[in-house]
Amino acid sequence: ELKVEQNPLFLSMQEGKNYTIYCNYSTTSDRLYWYRQDPGKSLESLFVLLSNGAVKQEGRLMASLDTKARLSTLHITAAVHDLSATYFCAVDKTGNQFYFGTGTSLTVIP
Amino acid sequence: EPEVTQTPSHQVTQMGQEVILRCVPISNHLYFYWYRQILGQKVEFLVSFYNNEISEKSEIFDDQFSVERPDGSNFTLKIRSTKLEDSAMYFCASSEQGQGDGYTFGSGTRLTVV
Repeated sequence: ELKVEQNPLFLSMQEGKNYTIYCNYSTTSDRLYWYRQDPGKSLESLFVLLSNGAVKQEGRLMASLDTKARLSTLHITAAVHDLSATYFCAVDKTGNQFYFGTGTSLTVIP
Repeated sequence: EPEVTQTPSHQVTQMGQEVILRCVPISNHLYFYWYRQILGQKVEFLVSFYNNEISEKSEIFDDQFSVERPDGSNFTLKIRSTKLEDSAMYFCASSEQGQGDGYTFGSGTRLTVV
């Protein structure tokens, strides 16, 4: 079974600081997705990464994909309180289902 | 922006009862999915559906579960003989092309089995 692991599971960071969330997965896949989930809410699509070396940026978030290392990163630049949420990566191996990571709960402290 | 709509937002049911969770996918999407998330845990795949049949299903999706597209707009998940451990948030998702373009998730139905 495909395993998707994220670290850290919990992240508390001060406003203005930078940090990276890591997503490792256990089998070959060229498609990786990042989602954001606010408490009690649905999953909001952040990034779709479809090839090795893909890098996408939106505001203070930047995601990258290294398919050879089976690793994706979500980098947070100059964090603000509004970024507090749980972030999930997901790998799509078959085209018919996502395997979600364990999630990283981010709290940005003023 | 187009949305995936799920009803009800919260359903409480007694153990052993049947529930139907409803979803209206985005109108031009062809691929439909159900996922669930037990409180505080990761999101788990249940089933994918395309061209009026199940494309793939997980081990969780056993005979207790069924899906249906009864008309051109709705996509339903039926859970028979509910158990306490079925309590979770159930998310419907849809996709235009399936592979590669990501999903749009609905706002979810919180199912509580008592």
